[in-house]
Amino acid sequence: EVQLVESGGGLVQPGRSLKLSCAASGFTYSNYVMAWVRQAPTKGLEWVASISTGGGNTYYRDSVKGRFTISRDNAKNTLYLQIDSLRSEDTATYYCAKDMGEAFAYWGQGTLVTVSS
Amino acid sequence: DIQMTQSPASLSASLGETVTIECLASEDIYSNLAWYQQKPGKSPQLLIYYANSLNDGVPSRFSGSGSGTQYSLKINSLQSEDVSIYFCQQNYDSPRTFGGGTKLELK
Repeated sequence: EVQLVESGGGLVQPGRSLKLSCAASGFTYSNYVMAWVRQAPTKGLEWVASISTGGGNTYYRDSVKGRFTISRDNAKNTLYLQIDSLRSEDTATYYCAKDMGEAFAYWGQGTLVTVSS
Repeated sequence: DIQMTQSPASLSASLGETVTIECLASEDIYSNLAWYQQKPGKSPQLLIYYANSLNDGVPSRFSGSGSGTQYSLKINSLQSEDVSIYFCQQNYDSPRTFGGGTKLELK
């Protein structure tokens, strides 16, 4: 059974940093592109970033380029999202997802990031 | 960015009814369209990909159709467990964008 378990969220002040993690199991993690998708409270969904199987290629939405860094450790079956210079508009639940290209096939339960002073 | 417009934003229907949710892309996405279901307090789950391919384990009362810029999700014989928010998403171009969602409630 595919499982994706996010962690690392919390309350953080504007301008600070946070690193989210996603532990994957139930599939051959190193064979799949992975992604982060976020959802602001009572809002819709927004793709944030994706990373290739080996980690050599990363892709970001424009609004997070330069502040967010997606990475992966295939030995630990873990996906990461480093978020720097946090802004209030980054407040959201962050989901990691198994990216099949044609869709995000599996999603974790999400981790809530709240940016507030 | 490709804009995805869903309609209606909310929908109320009775058990056993058939409902249809529409999704309009701002340009041709060549059937690279997925539908997700998000139950209250839960993460989204994939229902349909490539516009009309049912994901494993999804009940056959769900179906997708469309091409070009216009797509739809149909739910036959509505069940209580179908109460959710439904999102469409294009996977044709980056950034991959979602519709605003359709909240489905029971009448």
